[in-house]
Amino acid sequence: DIVLTQSPLSLPVTPGEPASISCRSSQSLLGSDGYNYLDWYLQKPGQSPQLLIYLGSNRASGVPDRFSGSGSGTDFTLMISRVEAEDVGVYYCFQGLHTPAYTFGQGTKLEIK
Amino acid sequence: QVQLVQSGAEVKKPGASVKVSCKGSGYMFIEYAIHWMRQAPGQGLEWMGRLNTRSGDAKYAQKFQGRVTMTRDTSINTVYMELISLTSDDTAFYYCAGSISVPYPSKAFDNWGQGALVTVSS
Repeated sequence: DIVLTQSPLSLPVTPGEPASISCRSSQSLLGSDGYNYLDWYLQKPGQSPQLLIYLGSNRASGVPDRFSGSGSGTDFTLMISRVEAEDVGVYYCFQGLHTPAYTFGQGTKLEIK
Repeated sequence: QVQLVQSGAEVKKPGASVKVSCKGSGYMFIEYAIHWMRQAPGQGLEWMGRLNTRSGDAKYAQKFQGRVTMTRDTSINTVYMELISLTSDDTAFYYCAGSISVPYPSKAFDNWGQGALVTVSS
């Protein structure tokens, strides 16, 4: 199975400051169609996960533009330009290329300092 | 609007089986696959498998092969996930999700059910 390794696992951030989370894959997530099948999710406390970024760099509908995704192949990054209190929760990367063994990263917990 | 509504919490004894449902509304049910994930208390997300709602074909993560079955009833727009031979390690929230409104070719899960807690305890 593909292993996704996130870092850091814990991320304390001061409101208004930027934050970034890395996701590294054990195999390339670049499909033959030229798309990177790497998504980012946020799970707020007590809620179901919600989609933030799909295909590596596309913001999902309704996601604030302070969230951005970048990367290709095996290295990906989620960036938050200015963290707000409502951004607390656990962030997961997910690979949807290597079927049927889709996998999540282990999660990064963002908390407010 | 698009909704995935799951069945309620369940308490099961070790060795029993559980069947969780996920009812879709607000979209064409047979056009989109439904995936199942689970999350043990305080742990991360784990992909279990997916069901092609049109054909009924299912693909499962190797870890759950032989223990999980995903089916659907198209007359009521509902998908089911059954897990057998339960142990305490199966205590978790079980989520259904679909790639319903996200642009092609993405398969990202833009719609999730509310989750169903399954507790396995003697």
